[in-house]
Amino acid sequence: AQSVAQPEDQVNVAEGNPLTVKCTYSVSGNPYLFWYVQYPNRGLQFLLKYITGDNLVKGSYGFEAEFNKSQTSFHLKKPSALVSDSALYFCAVSGSQTGANNLFFGTGTRLTVIP
Amino acid sequence: ETGVTQTPRHLVMGMTNKKSLKCEQHLGHNAMYWYKQSAKKPLELMFVYNFKEQTENNSVPSRFSPECPNSSHLFLHLHTLQPEDSALYLCASSQDQREGYEQYFGPGTRLTVT
Repeated sequence: AQSVAQPEDQVNVAEGNPLTVKCTYSVSGNPYLFWYVQYPNRGLQFLLKYITGDNLVKGSYGFEAEFNKSQTSFHLKKPSALVSDSALYFCAVSGSQTGANNLFFGTGTRLTVIP
Repeated sequence: ETGVTQTPRHLVMGMTNKKSLKCEQHLGHNAMYWYKQSAKKPLELMFVYNFKEQTENNSVPSRFSPECPNSSHLFLHLHTLQPEDSALYLCASSQDQREGYEQYFGPGTRLTVT
């Protein structure tokens, strides 16, 4: 069965410093992995995805994620954090027994960028 | 309007009321989804529609009744809800129902059941 774990409920980072939000996954087939961000009182916004190919995926707002098959991880990264990056981040994996696009989400990591 | 819209944004209803949530996508997508987001819990997939046909019902209680009249519109009809049904209900759409297609979410309806 597909599942995602986000081991940190909260991540704090100083503005300008690099940030990492961690995600590990478990899938029974090929992993299709996603990162979403949620700002207060808003829906989820798609940031990036890994389907196949290069292990380093670049996405919106300067975010990138590194797929590591041996460690079953898909950590989200950004070289220099902005205060406006403060939000709730969700990792998700796609899949089901039928191959349908059902997303399984982690519990989310709240990122706070300190000015 | 662009993207995925949801109305109303906030809803307070009693346990004996009947109400409906509406979702509309302006992206030309073929698949639409309902999710429930509760505090401290992962998003829960409720229903999936592909080309207006329901393809997934994730063991959702019958007091939640979805309707998809066309590929652009999705409704969630609510009746005799319980206080534990209070949550943020998110609608999403994707180009295709197959694995790997990113989903685009609406802003959600914050539901409070009193």
